[in-house]
Amino acid sequence: EAGVAQSPRYKIIEKRQSVAFWCNPISGHATLYWYQQILGQGPKLLIQFQNNGVVDDSQLPKDRFSAERLKGVDSTLKIQPAKLEDSAVYLCASSLRGADEQYFGPGTRLTVT
Amino acid sequence: DAKTTQPPSMDCAEGRAANLPCNHSTISGNEYVYWYRQIHSQGPQYIIHGLKNNETNEMASLIITEDRKSSTLILPHATLRDTAVYYCIVAYNQGGKLIFGQGTELSVKP
Repeated sequence: EAGVAQSPRYKIIEKRQSVAFWCNPISGHATLYWYQQILGQGPKLLIQFQNNGVVDDSQLPKDRFSAERLKGVDSTLKIQPAKLEDSAVYLCASSLRGADEQYFGPGTRLTVT
Repeated sequence: DAKTTQPPSMDCAEGRAANLPCNHSTISGNEYVYWYRQIHSQGPQYIIHGLKNNETNEMASLIITEDRKSSTLILPHATLRDTAVYYCIVAYNQGGKLIFGQGTELSVKP
């Protein structure tokens, strides 16, 4: 079974630029999550989708971050404009509808200079 | 904020059991205890979860105290590949929000 795919794996941008990350969840998984992990900290949930609807986006900085999951499969997370403090690993995870176990992708390491 | 307290780091000898403690004194009756681990430069990996009873799977055992205020994750025969940060999380099941704390950095040494 293929795991959660993410791209790119690494991205370096300057502050005030925009960036987008892509996630392809495990086939059949209805729930998709985006997490932000700053160096030395645990992952922090940014947004949770159930199919193509948003379940929880309370921790998403909506003035600069946006996410979508068209057709309930792939998802993109965008940052516009980026700030220095957005430097982090962005993790995508998926789970079966209502399942306890979340499967994580390898993450995208973003460096904002 | 995370609702769990874990030691920041622990060492374990290869082949010995690794016992990772977690305190969750404010856990509510419907919340589960979840354990995930994160090997360096990888995404977190689910290990096990439980509500009241002790649980065991192919990776580990989870021991939850009777008052549910603390638990212990046991890796019965630790290997070098078990070196990782281990996160203890309390959450409602089936889609409950996972709030990760700092975790315990386990170093398995030869």
